[in-house]
Amino acid sequence: GAVVSQHPSWVICKSGTSVKIECRSLDFQATTMFWYRQFPKQSLMLMATSNEGSKATYEQGVEKDKFLINHASLTLSTLTVTSAHPEDSSFYICSARVPVGSDEQYFGPGTRLTVT
Amino acid sequence: DAKTTQPPSMDCAEGRAANLPCNHSTISGNEYVYWYRQIHSQGPQYIIHGLKNNETNEMASLIITEDRKSSTLILPHATLRDTAVYYCISPPRSGAGSYQLTFGKGTKLSVIP
Repeated sequence: GAVVSQHPSWVICKSGTSVKIECRSLDFQATTMFWYRQFPKQSLMLMATSNEGSKATYEQGVEKDKFLINHASLTLSTLTVTSAHPEDSSFYICSARVPVGSDEQYFGPGTRLTVT
Repeated sequence: DAKTTQPPSMDCAEGRAANLPCNHSTISGNEYVYWYRQIHSQGPQYIIHGLKNNETNEMASLIITEDRKSSTLILPHATLRDTAVYYCISPPRSGAGSYQLTFGKGTKLSVIP
């Protein structure tokens, strides 16, 4: 199956700093990638849809100036959490859609962000 | 996208078949049913998907009723590693939000030794 990686797998940062999370499709090209957030004991919530070469589409309630998404190539999307606050502490997960032959999405292993 | 309904939790004895039901009575004719699972603290894992025919792969089987209003995911011989939250999702195929996966609460499957 298709493989999606995320880096880093976990990160601890101080309030007010910015953190960048990378999402890579390792063996396929993904024109569309998705970013999710998951708080403890809750389900995944879609934050934004990222299309290669264009601006991301953010879900209602997600601040686009705080969560910067860049999808500069067909294999890489990045999520930057700017001016992080403790309430941004969460499990961030990306997925990449396989556009040819089927529509399933493959997920990365997730990035655990803790803001102190 | 079609709303799906799943039981919140199920138990299954190790080695037995796990049958996870999902209702999707509002599904449109061209919308697929996808199954994912999430093991604790990991990203979701794709399992299987189908439109109207039954499907089988190395992980599971998917049985879809003739009217497509419900389906069942079958893990033929459950192991302890199958303990996870299982999500049944039917994303829209066109318009706003096409192909977006909306995760509900899923079914927490506990495989018991």
